[in-house]
Amino acid sequence: DVKVTQSSRYLVKRTGEKVFLECVQDMDHENMFWYRQDPGLGLRLIYFSYDVKMKEKGDIPEGYSVSREKKERFSLILESASTNQTSMYLCASSLRRWGSQQYFGPGTRLTVT
Amino acid sequence: GENVEQHPSTLSVQEGDSAVIKCTYSDSASNYFPWYKQELGKRPQLIIDIRSNVGEKKDQRIAVTLNKTAKHFSLHITETQPEDSAVYFCAAIKDGGSQGNLIFGKGTKLSVKP
Repeated sequence: DVKVTQSSRYLVKRTGEKVFLECVQDMDHENMFWYRQDPGLGLRLIYFSYDVKMKEKGDIPEGYSVSREKKERFSLILESASTNQTSMYLCASSLRRWGSQQYFGPGTRLTVT
Repeated sequence: GENVEQHPSTLSVQEGDSAVIKCTYSDSASNYFPWYKQELGKRPQLIIDIRSNVGEKKDQRIAVTLNKTAKHFSLHITETQPEDSAVYFCAAIKDGGSQGNLIFGKGTKLSVKP
């Protein structure tokens, strides 16, 4: 059974802080994704990675960066957190890039004050 | 790029009734259409998906239909139960494409009343 874990369920940070969100998967998946979920807006892709050290921008990459140093770990970085980045962040992984099931982590509820 | 519209945004049905959620997509090249279910406080999980080479797929009480000409696909849940209450997301993508991302609809909150 695929397991995707995220480092925190809830996080409160101050404006301007650097924030790290970590995601780990145990299924040797090549592909990993970071989404942002906001009420009424669905799931929006921030960044994804199809291999170690590879990354591609999604639909809303501004204000975010990512790091993938190991296959099982994909980190989302908010260089200088802002209040409009308060949201639920979901990590996912999949065997193939798009046409296969994405397995989601439990999510991190980030509040920026 | 792809755009996915999902309707309705909320849906309330009585237990035992059927529920239908519809999505339309804009890119005729899209060929993979998954549906995810997210229960309150939990992570989204794939419940069914369909590829463009089939028109319908069933799995027990859920089914998905695809109309490529009209560029829309629908989720059908029969004999609804309280545990079907959740937010459902449709999505579309051209699988195998070098560009583009899996685009999700904005979600439908389904409430099944006992």
